[in-house]
Amino acid sequence: GQQLNQSPQSMFIQEGEDVSMNCTSSSIFNTWLWYKQDPGEGPVLLIALYKAGELTSNGRLTAQFGITRKDSFLNISASIPSDVGIYFCAGQSTKTSYDKVIFGPGTSLSVIP
Amino acid sequence: EPEVTQTPSHQVTQMGQEVILRCVPISNHLYFYWYRQILGQKVEFLVSFYNNEISEKSEIFDDQFSVERPDGSNFTLKIRSTKLEDSAMYFCASRPGQFTNEQFFGPGTRLTVL
Repeated sequence: GQQLNQSPQSMFIQEGEDVSMNCTSSSIFNTWLWYKQDPGEGPVLLIALYKAGELTSNGRLTAQFGITRKDSFLNISASIPSDVGIYFCAGQSTKTSYDKVIFGPGTSLSVIP
Repeated sequence: EPEVTQTPSHQVTQMGQEVILRCVPISNHLYFYWYRQILGQKVEFLVSFYNNEISEKSEIFDDQFSVERPDGSNFTLKIRSTKLEDSAMYFCASRPGQFTNEQFFGPGTRLTVL
């Protein structure tokens, strides 16, 4: 089946540092979505990407849709303690229907004050 | 800001019992979804629903599962005879329409099967 890989699996950073994480797939994706999940809560949509090469920002967050359409990255600048959580990439592949969104395993971010 | 709501927040049930998880999607959204997340694992797609019928379902969504939109606002997931391995967080999500794939998630229902 379709699978997404995310790296790193977890990261520990100092407050104020920039963060970069990425997501890769073996197949081409039409859409990339980045979500953040706090413990015991539902995923919250951060950024949606629809075109290869697209670079989109949401405050301190920036995400890009890779040119090959098989990857995406998320950057967080000047991290703060409330950035702590699990970041999931998700996407819709050309091999599945438009409706089905597949999630990656997540990157767990810890921010040390 | 409109949001997806889910009830109950936590459901405990005995193995073999039926459970119904309820969701109220965002009011003008047209596409509805159920996902589950086993503790510590990734979010897994269960089913999508549009125009009063299932549009896609995963291999997890077997005959024990069903979905319904009984009125204009609620969207339910029924598990007919729960198993221990059904214990998970169940998330409902909704999407506005055809030209966006942005799905908005509810806070989830934690299902514990004893």
